[in-house]
Amino acid sequence: DTAVSQTPKYLVTQMGNDKSIKCEQNLGHDTMYWYKQDSKKFLKIMFSYNNKELIINETVPNRFSPKSPDKAHLNLHINSLELGDSAVYFCASSQAAGGGETQYFGPGTRLLVL
Amino acid sequence: AQSVSQHNHHVILSEAASLELGCNYSYGGTVNLFWYVQYPGQHLQLLLKYFSGDPLVKGIKGFEAEFIKSKFSFNLRKPSVQWSDTAEYFCAVRPVSGSARQLTFGSGTQLTVLP
Repeated sequence: DTAVSQTPKYLVTQMGNDKSIKCEQNLGHDTMYWYKQDSKKFLKIMFSYNNKELIINETVPNRFSPKSPDKAHLNLHINSLELGDSAVYFCASSQAAGGGETQYFGPGTRLLVL
Repeated sequence: AQSVSQHNHHVILSEAASLELGCNYSYGGTVNLFWYVQYPGQHLQLLLKYFSGDPLVKGIKGFEAEFIKSKFSFNLRKPSVQWSDTAEYFCAVRPVSGSARQLTFGSGTQLTVLP
C-alpha cells in the first residue's frame, strides 16, 4: 500500500552511462515532482508535472529528461552521468498544482556515480 | 522568488529538553508553510502545515509551529524531545499565487537527541 514508490532504491553506475529512475504513486494525485538532495541535505526541485504536462523545469542540465506516461508515473532519465549527479533523488506527488496542497514523498533513490 | 532560511544547522539536545528550530522565509505575498522530517535513511514526511487561520498549528508526534507573519517566521517547537526525534527537519514555503508556486525548502536542521 505504498503511496509513492521509487525504483531502484540504490543505483551505482559509471560516469558516462545512461540510467533511469522510476516513480509511481497510487494516491490518485495529478501532480508529480522530482527533487534532488545533495550531500549537504539541500533539497531542490527539478521538475513538476501536472496531468502529464511539464509545469516546472528548474535549471537542470538537459541530460535530465522526465517522462510521464500517465498521471500515476513520472520517470527520470539521465544521460551521460557525471560525478556531480551523485545525490538522492526524491519523487513526490500532490493533488492539484495550486498553492497549499501537501506533497507526499517517495523513499528516494540513492545514486552514486563512480 | 521565495527563499527559506534555517539558521540552526545542527542542534544537539538531551532527552526531555525543549526544542525550537528557527525558520524564516522571504516572499512578498501569501504563502503556505510546511515542516517536513526526514528520519535517518527514510523519506520526507509531513510534520505539520499552515494554510490559514490560527497561526499556531499542531502536528504529529507532539510538534507544533507558530506562524508570525510580521517576522516572516514559522518556528517549530516541541516541549520535550525524545531520542526517536533524531532526524533532519526541513522547513518549506509555497506561494499561494503567482508563477513560481513550487515548494522551496530550507537547508535543513539536523537534530540529535542524546539518550
